[in-house]
Amino acid sequence: DVVMTQSPLSLPVTLGQPASISCRSSRGLVYSDGNTYLNWFQQRPGQSPRRLIYKVSNRDSGVPDRFSGSGSGTDFTLKISRVEAEDVGVYYCMQGTHWPKTFGQGTKVEIK
Amino acid sequence: EVQLVESGGGLIQPGGSLRLSCAASGFTVSSYYMSWIRQAPGKGLEWVSVIYGDAGTYYIDSVKGRFTISRDNSKNTLYLQMDSLRAEDTAVYYCARGGGGDPDFDYWGQGTLVSVSS
Repeated sequence: DVVMTQSPLSLPVTLGQPASISCRSSRGLVYSDGNTYLNWFQQRPGQSPRRLIYKVSNRDSGVPDRFSGSGSGTDFTLKISRVEAEDVGVYYCMQGTHWPKTFGQGTKVEIK
Repeated sequence: EVQLVESGGGLIQPGGSLRLSCAASGFTVSSYYMSWIRQAPGKGLEWVSVIYGDAGTYYIDSVKGRFTISRDNSKNTLYLQMDSLRAEDTAVYYCARGGGGDPDFDYWGQGTLVSVSS
């Protein structure tokens, strides 16, 4: 199985400051169709996960533009340009290129 | 509006069985890959199973032979039959649209808790 490794696992951030989460895969994530199926999810406390980013850098509808995704190959990053209080929660990367689909361990974002 | 509503969770003894349901609205289940994803208490997310096309299926190794995913197209509902349950199956089970590439888990249900304990 492809192992997804996130860092850091805990991220205290000051309101209005940027935040960055790294995700590394144990195998390359480019599929035979040329797409890279790397997604990011947000799980606020007590809620279901919500997809933020798909195929590395595409924001889902309704996702604020302070969220951005980047990367290629085996290294990917989720950035929040200015953290707001509603961004508190756990963030997961997920690879959808190889079966079984696998998630990172999660990064807990909290306000300092 | 797309909605997924799970039901069927509960407390069950080891070795027992449960059937989870996921009622979908706003889209046609049979036109999409549909998945079950679980989250053990305080833990991360784990993809469990997917159904696609003319009822093609896939299971992770830890549930293979014990869980069965299915759908009822007339009811637009996804199911997960869980047999021979173990303590390690304790989790919130989510259904999600996708599992075959694009879309991949763009919509999730609210989850249903399965607790396996004597």
